[in-house]
Amino acid sequence: QSALTQPASVSGSPGQSITISCTGTSSDVGAYNYVSWYQQHPGKAPNLMIYDVTNRPSGVSNRFSGSKSGNTASLTISGLQAEDEGDYYCSSYTSSSTWVFGGGTKLTVL
Amino acid sequence: QVQLVQSGAEVKKPGASVKVSCKASGYTFNGYAMHWVRQAPGQRLEWMGWINAGNGNTEYSQKFQGRVTITRDTSASTAYMELSSLRSEDTAVYYCTRNGMDVWGQGTTVTVSS
Repeated sequence: QSALTQPASVSGSPGQSITISCTGTSSDVGAYNYVSWYQQHPGKAPNLMIYDVTNRPSGVSNRFSGSKSGNTASLTISGLQAEDEGDYYCSSYTSSSTWVFGGGTKLTVL
Repeated sequence: QVQLVQSGAEVKKPGASVKVSCKASGYTFNGYAMHWVRQAPGQRLEWMGWINAGNGNTEYSQKFQGRVTITRDTSASTAYMELSSLRSEDTAVYYCTRNGMDVWGQGTTVTVSS
């Protein structure tokens, strides 16, 4: 199972919006609404930001939103803040009853 | 509160095996599957496998098939991940996370070095 494809890096200024894409196949992202997004800061465990494509866990800011079209899912962060800087990963359930993560995207807040 | 507490750091020689534990508290252990995910230094998250804590059924990533074994002890609310035939490329932080991946253990650093 190959990793889902994410851009290596994205950047934006405070207050701006950015979008991170996550491209898979018709056997994972395109097949199920089980795409999640995680934020990870250096030396820390990942933190769930979006699950089931569009849902936010309790406590996650509504500046974070998710969507999906075909084999590509997206995470949008609006009103960028310095604390949003970090690594972001997507994951998806697959037709093999397994899970796969993306390659990760480093977000820099300029 | 819901918590996953993992065992401590390990240093192993190439060819050895390592077994990492993950003790759950604050929720019904049998009600959630448990995933194991690893992250080599500077690398991406990598899904290794999962176990249905209720019936013990497992699924593994093809990459680790034959080298990884995930088990659980329901009486102790604990899941285990054993990785065998260790090589230097297995040096990583290993995480457990319950299904939904909303709660993660603190991570266990496994270092493979001669």
